[in-house]
Amino acid sequence: IAGITQAPTSQILAAGRRMTLRCTQDMRHNAMYWYRQDLGLGLRLIHYSNTAGTTGKGEVPDGYSVSRANTDDFPLTLASAVPSQTSVYFCASSEQGPGELFFGEGSRLTVL
Amino acid sequence: GENVEQHPSTLSVQEGDSAVIKCTYSDSASNYFPWYKQELGKRPQLIIDIRSNVGEKKDQRIAVTLNKTAKHFSLHITETQPEDSAVYFCAASTSGGFKTIFGAGTRLFVKA
Repeated sequence: IAGITQAPTSQILAAGRRMTLRCTQDMRHNAMYWYRQDLGLGLRLIHYSNTAGTTGKGEVPDGYSVSRANTDDFPLTLASAVPSQTSVYFCASSEQGPGELFFGEGSRLTVL
Repeated sequence: GENVEQHPSTLSVQEGDSAVIKCTYSDSASNYFPWYKQELGKRPQLIIDIRSNVGEKKDQRIAVTLNKTAKHFSLHITETQPEDSAVYFCAASTSGGFKTIFGAGTRLFVKA
């Protein structure tokens, strides 16, 4: 089934540890995004990528990094996790921006 | 940068009644306004969108209106049904930009 795959689905992590959330799409979409979802705050954009090889900062980029080595993959890395990064993380893609976003199923991350 | 405000945060209606959710945006360059529905534990999915060259768009029981002068747009759901119960997000983005910014969400309860 075409779409976006995120991994892991859920993870508990000790503060200070490094963590990479994986995101792969098979729709050949140019643009990809990472959002975090927190209760009462909606979906906040962390980083985005217009096309392979380019990335940009969203609303809340601090503490996160991304890379876009190819069209399909867009991993999100927390270099040194902190409890405030406890959240549900959604990866999304769009054929070209702006347009419909297709979301993955989310990754629930808990930082203790 | 763009800021999107959404009201109300919670809305409870009787089955069969109408529901209206309102959003305002700050960036006058925004020209694409999607609405997403997120059911409990699931990913957000697009239900309707509107571009700045039209003032209203309708799809069966849902409609969206846009007032570019006032920088606000609204979602209207008529003849609500229990399956409409979900969290609804408005969003705004600009042509040539890749940042889709979301409102904080409205939790809609439809009582049978």
